[in-house]
Amino acid sequence: DGGITQSPKYLFRKEGQNVTLSCEQNLNHDAMYWYRQDPGQGLRLIYYSQIVNDFQKGDIAEGYSVSREKKESFPLTVTSAQKNPTAFYLCASTGQINQPQHFGDGTRLSIL
Amino acid sequence: GNSVTQMEGPVTLSEEAFLTINCTYTATGYPSLFWYVQYPGEGLQLLLKATKADDKGSNKGFEATYRKETTSFHLEKGSVQVSDSAVYFCALSGDTGRRALTFGSGTRLQVQP
Repeated sequence: DGGITQSPKYLFRKEGQNVTLSCEQNLNHDAMYWYRQDPGQGLRLIYYSQIVNDFQKGDIAEGYSVSREKKESFPLTVTSAQKNPTAFYLCASTGQINQPQHFGDGTRLSIL
Repeated sequence: GNSVTQMEGPVTLSEEAFLTINCTYTATGYPSLFWYVQYPGEGLQLLLKATKADDKGSNKGFEATYRKETTSFHLEKGSVQVSDSAVYFCALSGDTGRRALTFGSGTRLQVQP
């Protein structure tokens, strides 16, 4: 079955450490997204990519970085510059404009 | 810019009660509208969608009608079950540049036996 796989499910970060969240899709979608979800809130867009080797900042990109070297993969790095990284991170992808996005099961990041 | 407003939760209902979760939106052009559901600890799953005015999306007993005149997309279900307990998100896709969705803040539904 086609879908989006996020790993790990839970991740812990130490002070001053960068951590990378994995997102892989086998839906052959061009566009991929990273969202952040805080308790009781909606989803906020961190970064997005519409094609390989190209990506743009979303609404809350500070303290995060991404890469898109392959169509299937869109990893997110939470850098030490992100002072409040504790959240649930969701990766999504879509094919055509105005089509629904498909979501992974998320990664919960916490601070040690 | 685009925005989505949902009724605040939690919404607490007894099993077999009627459900309405209100959603209104602000957007330019002709967005597509979606309802997503999120179960605890999981990602979002598409529940239903509507792509043009007066379209009705439906799935698993849930329905929502795209009302352009009132800029609304309210979610309804005639008889809720305990298994429907989750967080429901209304979203729109009208940003042709980013192809990103704009989400409401979510409404938590709790169904009691």
